[in-house]
Amino acid sequence: DAGVIQSPRHEVTEMGQEVTLRCKPISGHNSLFWYRQTMMRGLELLIYFNNNVPIDDSGMPEDRFSAKMPNASFSTLKIQPSEPRDSAVYFCASSPASHTYEQYFGPGTRLTVT
Amino acid sequence: GENVEQHPSTLSVQEGDSAVIKCTYSDSASNYFPWYKQELGKGPQLIIDIRSNVGEKKDQRIAVTLNKTAKHFSLHITETQPEDSAVYFCAPSLSYIPTFGRGTSLIVHP
Repeated sequence: DAGVIQSPRHEVTEMGQEVTLRCKPISGHNSLFWYRQTMMRGLELLIYFNNNVPIDDSGMPEDRFSAKMPNASFSTLKIQPSEPRDSAVYFCASSPASHTYEQYFGPGTRLTVT
Repeated sequence: GENVEQHPSTLSVQEGDSAVIKCTYSDSASNYFPWYKQELGKGPQLIIDIRSNVGEKKDQRIAVTLNKTAKHFSLHITETQPEDSAVYFCAPSLSYIPTFGRGTSLIVHP
């Protein structure tokens, strides 16, 4: 298996622009998580899905952030409009969940908003 | 929400020494206790985990011990090697929902 796939790996954008991050979970995994990692705040859980349904988005910092999972093999995290304080590494992780709680992380997307 | 504290924040050891990282948590309902290793430029990777009905688990040079009464669990690495150098995170979880600690940077000097 190729593991969790994220794209792009790096994104540089100007303040005010829309940013879309993409994630393909491991086939057969029924839970998907989006995290943000910064030096100041560490690794924060933003939102998670179970069987493509958003379960808890209480970690999403603002209404500028939104996430979707239209099917079992694809999810997006969108920031609109982006701000410099959104600069971070964003990770997607998937988990079988039904029989193990282990999470498999993708390589991350490094976002820089100037 | 869950409050997680991880100590120390930085740990420097000589190759061959042992390393111990401690994680304390606040939610007594937490029932899954994993440790993740993150190498530079990569996502975290699970290295060992333990469920709440077990006190200790060992996998070669790595072990995790759990004290549910005191609400803490620890990562033990024996015979450390330079490739063990990384950031280690605890993530006490209620079922499959984790709260990550701030991480411990482990440096193993050859």
